[in-house]
Amino acid sequence: NAGVTQTPKFRILKIGQSMTLQCAQDMNHNYMYWYRQDPGMGLKLIYYSVGAGITDKGEVPNGYNVSRSTTEDFPLRLELAAPSQTSVYFCASTQSFLGGYTFGSGTRLTVV
Amino acid sequence: DQQVKQNSPSLSVQEGRISILNCDYTNSMFDYFLWYKKYPAEGPTFLISISSIKDKNEDGRFTVFLNKSAKHLSLHIVPSQPGDSAVYFCAASVQSGGSNYKLTFGKGTLLTVNP
Repeated sequence: NAGVTQTPKFRILKIGQSMTLQCAQDMNHNYMYWYRQDPGMGLKLIYYSVGAGITDKGEVPNGYNVSRSTTEDFPLRLELAAPSQTSVYFCASTQSFLGGYTFGSGTRLTVV
Repeated sequence: DQQVKQNSPSLSVQEGRISILNCDYTNSMFDYFLWYKKYPAEGPTFLISISSIKDKNEDGRFTVFLNKSAKHLSLHIVPSQPGDSAVYFCAASVQSGGSNYKLTFGKGTLLTVNP
């Protein structure tokens, strides 16, 4: 069982470039999330989805977009990358809070 | 405005002793609390949780205590082991009233257990 798979693990972008961070889960979870973690900070929610076709903004959505066309996949799109988007990005999923979220191993993104 | 606060960025303890990690929250609507553990270059992993209807939950070496009146929870690890060295995140959510499946995280506390 793979759990939550994030690709790529590392990426360097130039200012103004775009990219998509991939997230896939094989646990048939309805709820999926994107968080970012900046140094010395907690995880901040970017976007989340409660099921295929349904997405909503979190705490820090500016500069990002998401889609959820299937239960399994929840890609995060960065348009016009900025240095402020340098961070570690975590995707997570859950079906019930009783067991908490299952997190991916993260994507470390640097924008230069 | 930080709704979940972990005021100690780091904690160092000796192997075999007790580790106590603290967390405070400001949102009185929070009714479900979780602790996550994170090793470098890995995603956080779920450790233990507690509902607001309880004041204690225990799982092996890990116990979480909740003091609702003080809006405070703590994670006790007894005995501490070097493998427990990690960043610990406190998280909270509002469960009652339906489908709010969003967690609010604290900044984390780096625990170092010295052999």
